Amino acid sequence: DGGITQSPKYLFRKEGQNVTLSCEQNLNHDAMYWYRQDPGQGLRLIYYSQIVNDFQKGDIAEGYSVSREKKESFPLTVTSAQKNPTAFYLCASSLTGTVNNQPQHFGDGTRLSIL
Amino acid sequence: GQQVMQIPQYQHVQEGEDFTTYCNSSTTLSNIQWYKQRPGGHPVFLIQLVKSGEVKKQKRLTFQFGEAKKNSSLHITATQTTDVGTYFCAGSGAGSYQLTFGKGTKLSVIP
Repeated sequence: DGGITQSPKYLFRKEGQNVTLSCEQNLNHDAMYWYRQDPGQGLRLIYYSQIVNDFQKGDIAEGYSVSREKKESFPLTVTSAQKNPTAFYLCASSLTGTVNNQPQHFGDGTRLSIL
Repeated sequence: GQQVMQIPQYQHVQEGEDFTTYCNSSTTLSNIQWYKQRPGGHPVFLIQLVKSGEVKKQKRLTFQFGEAKKNSSLHITATQTTDVGTYFCAGSGAGSYQLTFGKGTKLSVIP
């Protein structure tokens, strides 16, 4: 089955620690996205990548970093600079990242908490 | 920046009643998408509207895009317990590669 796999499902971070969330897709999609969802809130864009080896900051990129070395993979690192990292993180992909936006397909998410 | 506002935030309905959620953008949109997120799940794409005044139907769901392409609505006729979840609209402006999501409307259906 084609889809997006996020791991782990739950993650705990200690103070001052960087953690990396995994996102892998086998849909052969060019574009990938990372969103943060807080309770009662919509999805806020952290980073997005329209193509391999290229990525752009979204609305709330501070304290986060990404890489896009392979088409299938778009890992997100939550750095110690992100002071309020507790949230539900969703990875998504779309066939392309063109102006006429393609539907986005989401993974099951990673729930990150502070210890 | 672009803002997308969605109302109401919560809606409780008796099974069989109708439900509507509204979405308003601060700027003209090139297209709008609707997603549904079940409790504990991830957003699932429902539909995309592109044309001014467009109306699309999916069984009991009716989606509209305003003439000015700044607002949209989702109407569910005769709700069922399977409709429970949070419905999000998401829009993008001309030339943008980003979707801006509304905060969603959480629908509860009382059997």
